[in-house]
Amino acid sequence: EAQVTQNPRYLITVTGKKLTVTCSQNMNHEYMSWYRQDPGLGLRQIYYSMNVEVTDKGDVPEGYKVSRKEKRNFPLILESPSPNQTSLYFCASSLLLAGDTQYFGPGTRLTVL
Amino acid sequence: AQTVTQSQPEMSVQEAETVTLSCTYDTSENNYYLFWYKQPPSRQMILVIRQEAYKQQNATENRFSVNFQKAAKSFSLKISDSQLGDTAMYFCAFMNNNAGNMLTFGGGTRLMVKP
Repeated sequence: EAQVTQNPRYLITVTGKKLTVTCSQNMNHEYMSWYRQDPGLGLRQIYYSMNVEVTDKGDVPEGYKVSRKEKRNFPLILESPSPNQTSLYFCASSLLLAGDTQYFGPGTRLTVL
Repeated sequence: AQTVTQSQPEMSVQEAETVTLSCTYDTSENNYYLFWYKQPPSRQMILVIRQEAYKQQNATENRFSVNFQKAAKSFSLKISDSQLGDTAMYFCAFMNNNAGNMLTFGGGTRLMVKP
């Protein structure tokens, strides 16, 4: 089954404790992206990647890191989480074709205390 | 930069009736794509419908259709014969043909379908 998976689905952590949210897709998509969803703001892009070793900032990259060492994986790293990073996070992937539909993972609910 | 505005934070509709969700966007681009995504309580983001800006014909998918007005920069979603399973958050999104595949989302409309 074609899908985007994220782990963990729920995470509660404390300020400053490094964490990684994993994202994996099995559709051989070149393009992968991370979004955060906050009430009233919709989804905002954090980082994206157009292929292995090619990453770039989205609209809200501060406090986040990413890497793309393999085509299927695109982990999101919070080196020193803060309470304002409490949010719902989505990973998405698509082919690198103009206008191609993005497929979203199930979301990760992160709470930083 | 592109912006997407959904002016109705919440809406409700009776089962079997028709409802229209509004979306406007701001861009100086001519080639772009527009999407409606549905987010049910499960939080999964589900594509409802997609429209290419260069196509004048409005996209339809079963009970879902759009009214795409390019000059007015408007992209509303019409849901016909509303069903209880349509209860969800609905997000309008914009993709610029010249900016990779980045999606710019509106703030969402929460739709409640009442029995």
